[in-house]
Amino acid sequence: AQKITQTQPGMFVQEKEAVTLDCTYDTSDPSYGLFWYKQPSSGEMIFLIYQGSYDQQNATEGRYSLNFQKARKSANLVISASQLGDSAMYFCAMREGKRDDKIIFGKGTRLHILP
Amino acid sequence: NAGVTQTPKFRILKIGQSMTLQCTQDMNHNYMYWYRQDPGMGLKLIYYSVGAGITDKGEVPNGYNVSRSTTEDFPLRLELAAPSQTSVYFCASSYSESNSPLHFGNGTRLTVT
Repeated sequence: AQKITQTQPGMFVQEKEAVTLDCTYDTSDPSYGLFWYKQPSSGEMIFLIYQGSYDQQNATEGRYSLNFQKARKSANLVISASQLGDSAMYFCAMREGKRDDKIIFGKGTRLHILP
Repeated sequence: NAGVTQTPKFRILKIGQSMTLQCTQDMNHNYMYWYRQDPGMGLKLIYYSVGAGITDKGEVPNGYNVSRSTTEDFPLRLELAAPSQTSVYFCASSYSESNSPLHFGNGTRLTVT
């Protein structure tokens, strides 16, 4: 069964520091994709970054990068040089391969950036 | 380009009433999804569809029904509303490729009293 675990309910980080948000997953499908989304207090869902199970390199998008450790089944989001605007809920999600088109989300981590 | 449009934005229902949450997308996405988000929690998948005429149950389908008669529209029906269905409902869509991210609507905040 598909499962996504985010073990950090909340985090406080000083502005300009880097922050790592944890995500572990469980799947028996060798083909899967991992997504991270940001949800500000306004409520919209914003796509940040994607990592495919067969991708050779860790994904990067601007200040966002993924620390993808396939053997450990983890896909941690790293935000470099955090900004006040990074304060939000962050969700990890997984889509298994063509066998199952469900996209399942973790419970999220609320990130607070301190000035 | 409107993206994913959900209506209504807010709704208050009495216990036992029924309603339909509307969702339409103009991106020609094959895949569409309905999620609910309870306060301070993650998103739970209710139903999803990989194309017109095809729907599948997600994690929490009880108390809901869906239909997908066109590529653009994916309405969610609540029958006999219960307080446990108080939540924010998000509709989302994507292309069929595995690396295609979800595009979300702005959500419908539903209260059942």
